[in-house]
Amino acid sequence: GAGVSQSPSNKVTEKGKDVELRCDPISGHTALYWYRQSLGQGLEFLIYFQGNSAPDKSGLPSDRFSAERTGGSVSTLTIQRTQQEDSAVYLCASSFRDTPQETQYFGPGTRLLVL
Amino acid sequence: GENVEQHPSTLSVQEGDSAVIKCTYSDSASNYFPWYKQELGKRPQLIIDIRSNVGEKKDQRIAVTLNKTAKHFSLHITETQPEDSAVYFCAATEFWSGAGSYQLTFGKGTKLSVIP
Repeated sequence: GAGVSQSPSNKVTEKGKDVELRCDPISGHTALYWYRQSLGQGLEFLIYFQGNSAPDKSGLPSDRFSAERTGGSVSTLTIQRTQQEDSAVYLCASSFRDTPQETQYFGPGTRLLVL
Repeated sequence: GENVEQHPSTLSVQEGDSAVIKCTYSDSASNYFPWYKQELGKRPQLIIDIRSNVGEKKDQRIAVTLNKTAKHFSLHITETQPEDSAVYFCAATEFWSGAGSYQLTFGKGTKLSVIP
């Protein structure tokens, strides 16, 4: 079946603009995760969803970052007033159940460059 | 706390040799330890995982060992091949105080280069 997909694959924007990143999880997966991967760095947890609710927003780096998930499926990560330090690859992952012991399946990522 | 340390950050081995990557974690309640492989420009993919009730797990050339007392776990790749070249990430379930729940915390990754 289809894996996790993300769009766009690449995004170049100017500092101060807003961007919206999209994640389509595997059908039927309850949990959805957003991570950020800066150049040469590990995976930084941002937020996760159980269904449509996000019980843990503690990983969001600032109030310019927000995310939502509707219908228990597609999720969008929005970054307002982008800064150069927001440049990174943003990865989405989903898992069948909302426990951390479930295998997470990653999308290909969105490479964001803020000029 | 959320703290997973991974070493080394880079590792070069000759084809056919073994490679070992080590991780330590801080939360004694952690009970799930996956390893992900990320090839250049591609998404991370799970290669092996281990749970806290098991000390070792093998899958062909890959093995993972877990020492809960010392709070460390390791990935072992034997008979390395050029296609093993990638970045490897360890992870552990750690308690995130923000929502009072356990989440995967990833190490910073090890770039493995297998020299033909």
